[in-house]
Amino acid sequence: DTGVSQDPRHKITKRGQNVTFRCDPISEHNRLYWYRQTLGQGPEFLTYFQNEAQLEKSRLLSDRFSAERPKGSFSTLEIQRTEQGDSAMYLCASSLNTGSYNEQFFGPGTRLTVL
Amino acid sequence: AQSVTQLDSQVPVFEEAPVELRCNYSSSVSVYLFWYVQYPNQGLQLLLKYLSGSTLVKGINGFEAEFNKSQTSFHLRKPSVHISDTAEYFCAVSPSGGSYIPTFGRGTSLIVHP
Repeated sequence: DTGVSQDPRHKITKRGQNVTFRCDPISEHNRLYWYRQTLGQGPEFLTYFQNEAQLEKSRLLSDRFSAERPKGSFSTLEIQRTEQGDSAMYLCASSLNTGSYNEQFFGPGTRLTVL
Repeated sequence: AQSVTQLDSQVPVFEEAPVELRCNYSSSVSVYLFWYVQYPNQGLQLLLKYLSGSTLVKGINGFEAEFNKSQTSFHLRKPSVHISDTAEYFCAVSPSGGSYIPTFGRGTSLIVHP
């Protein structure tokens, strides 16, 4: 399977703990995106990378959130001191940027539950 | 900035009946329009997109959508639905340049009854 993969698929944690999610994009894709989807809502953009550079961050990405893509391949999203409001599905997507529109391919998501 | 309104949170329909899922958008710049489908516990899959050209766009699984610039709408239609079409459908809009980051609507749950 050469699609976007995310790990873990589910994470349950206690309030105040730190969590880290991983996303592996389609191998030749140079752009990688993170979204958050809460129950009953559409995905909301968090941040995106072109290669290893983080080019844009949403206001939703508070100081407790940090994302990295150190070698321009996989990416991690860390949430520090989790809060119950962080409970959501975290989606990763990737695309091949050629200067014009290119389709984003989504992974299956990581569902976070903060108790 | 862009915004998307999906007018129906839930649309129940019987199998083999036609269906229309409504989407309206607002934007101060030129946009691209999309419909995505999400099956339970899965990521999003692109159904179809409008970038330019013909306002009637055909996608996968027999879906089509029509871009209406004057009404700022992009409604999704299928002439005959199947049980397997039961899913969440999201309309999205992105600027037609730059980062192409989409803004999604809240989704419409299509429920197909036998």
